[in-house]
Amino acid sequence: KNEVEQSPQNLTAQEGEFITINCSYSVGISALHWLQQHPGGGIVSLFMLSSGKKKHGRLIATINIQEKHSSLHITASHPRDSAVYICAVRGGAQKLVFGQGTRLTINP
Amino acid sequence: EAQVTQNPRYLITVTGKKLTVTCSQNMNHEYMSWYRQDPGLGLRQIYYSMNVEVTDKGDVPEGYKVSRKEKRNFPLILESPSPNQTSLYFCASSGLASGETQYFGPGTRLLVL
Repeated sequence: KNEVEQSPQNLTAQEGEFITINCSYSVGISALHWLQQHPGGGIVSLFMLSSGKKKHGRLIATINIQEKHSSLHITASHPRDSAVYICAVRGGAQKLVFGQGTRLTINP
Repeated sequence: EAQVTQNPRYLITVTGKKLTVTCSQNMNHEYMSWYRQDPGLGLRQIYYSMNVEVTDKGDVPEGYKVSRKEKRNFPLILESPSPNQTSLYFCASSGLASGETQYFGPGTRLLVL
């Protein structure tokens, strides 16, 4: 079993829909990252969480440390949100362990 | 502009021919790391460095070397590349504080024949 599990692996939705991507982890962590990888390959860090909730524009990330679970939400989704979203957890010594990623496609 | 640069962006080489992929950051970050990304396996950490002259193995260090002689540079060295090192490689950097964002380079696509 992977230390970081994301669901779903693939998600297709219509423009305007509310999107939720889930991340569960099995190890103790000091922080959790949400990353976005566009079709061109570049990776951008969206959020770094150690507790609670963060919001940036239409993106919201939450984490429940007790349940070892995080969610990434996208409100009013748009085709430009189409990308792979990757959850990564930081354990000891700054090591990052990554989920497999969720491929999101938003159709106009 | 704050950035992480990698060179080359694309490289085709042959088995056994030593190569170096450079990584440089202009944000005075202490932490730097190398990852490889493969279909079905996702991103995996190769090596990381917490500061100058401080490096440590990640999850898949076999076949790779790194050095950190200067704070801004963290080259990845493949002494004798093999086809199973064909991959997409990313360098990243961040500060060491718990809330620090990690900045990724643009990636280097390597093909070993």
